Amino acid sequence: DAKTTQPTSMDCAEGRAANLPCNHSTISGNEYVYWYRQIHSQGPQYIIHGLKNNETNEMASLIITEDRKSSTLILPHATLRDTAVYYCIVRARNTGNQFYFGTGTSLTVIP
Amino acid sequence: KAGVTQTPRYLIKTRGQQVTLSCSPISGHRSVSWYQQTPGQGLQFLFEYFSETQRNKGNFPGRFSGRQFSNSRSEMNVSTLELGDSALYLCASSLGNTGDTEAFFGQGTRLTVV
Repeated sequence: DAKTTQPTSMDCAEGRAANLPCNHSTISGNEYVYWYRQIHSQGPQYIIHGLKNNETNEMASLIITEDRKSSTLILPHATLRDTAVYYCIVRARNTGNQFYFGTGTSLTVIP
Repeated sequence: KAGVTQTPRYLIKTRGQQVTLSCSPISGHRSVSWYQQTPGQGLQFLFEYFSETQRNKGNFPGRFSGRQFSNSRSEMNVSTLELGDSALYLCASSLGNTGDTEAFFGQGTRLTVV
């Protein structure tokens, strides 16, 4: 699976949009981009995933660049409960149910 | 519907003992994978089971083993415990075992080895 690069930490003001970038410049055509987050000592929570097109659900939006070498997770109105470590993961279609987590981005939402 | 259930939530064991952790996946999910999380190594993939067969295995010693039952419930066993096995052990369940299906994680079992 392709490697991802994320900033170590970010801050965001409560109520503002949080934009979390992820670089995956070696991604191949059959690899999906997944985002998970983990609040301290809890299990990772699935947020969203996509292949080529932008995706949106009730939690967030995922914007994937046309060349697929980077993506941005957008939390439209960050709340204090969004403070967590966010993991961007690239996963091939033919790999099983396995994820290779990097170090992620520690997002702090500031009141 | 109920999420992924892991039992027990907390466990304290002594070096040299063995331990068995349990994971009940979301109803209808046939794939279960296990992860170890430590402050030093982060989240690391242990192994994956699909329809009672181990499909993938991470880079862990043979002391770490697992199995899956016909109802998709899975157990993970660690023998001859070492202090370094202290970690949060997480399992995740998924409907299928392809890369386009999301996985859902349980709350984990916190194992402390003394």
